[in-house]
Amino acid sequence: NAGVTQTPKFQVLKTGQSMTLQCAQDMNHEYMSWYRQDPGMGLRLIHYSVGAGITDQGEVPNGYNVSRSTTEDFPLRLLSAAPSQTSVYFCATQPRGGGLAFFGQGTRLTVV
Amino acid sequence: GQNIDQPTEMTATEGAIVQINCTYQTSGFNGLFWYQQHAGEAPTFLSYNVLDGLEEKGRFSSFLSRSKGYSYLLLKELQMKDSASYLCAVRVLDRGSTLGRLYFGRGTQLTVWP
Repeated sequence: NAGVTQTPKFQVLKTGQSMTLQCAQDMNHEYMSWYRQDPGMGLRLIHYSVGAGITDQGEVPNGYNVSRSTTEDFPLRLLSAAPSQTSVYFCATQPRGGGLAFFGQGTRLTVV
Repeated sequence: GQNIDQPTEMTATEGAIVQINCTYQTSGFNGLFWYQQHAGEAPTFLSYNVLDGLEEKGRFSSFLSRSKGYSYLLLKELQMKDSASYLCAVRVLDRGSTLGRLYFGRGTQLTVWP
């Protein structure tokens, strides 16, 4: 039982490049979300999904896209990376109703 | 919007007791979580309050007063391994929905000295 798995753990991108951060869960949780964590800023919600085929924006969605084709997977796409997107990204899952959140191990992204 | 405040840093010595406060102003409040996060790691769940009062789990306790928009996390018998960031998170229910989103405070960095 892996829980929430994020890949990659580390990534360096050049400005303008695109990439996808992967998130997979085996807990059959309906609710999945992406957060970014910056020094002194806490965790901020980027996008979330309440089930397959349903996504919505969080607090800081600009520059990111998501899709949810299956219950298990919720990838986060950076369309054209910018230095302001340098951050640690966490994927989280929650059971129905959005209760206790379980986090993946994070992806440390640097955009140069 | 949601407003969640907690102190940025706290220090304490081994064996002591420390209280980390969290105040919030939110609409649709539906519970408050405390998470622990060690440097370079993911947040892990510590405690949850949805009703007023004290919840105790071993060395950790959490208190909630909904009328005051206030919670605290109490850590007893501090150990060096308790040095970490402690995150206060408020669950908010959207109107007409069972969806509960989490909004996080900026975290309190606790340093435990020997």
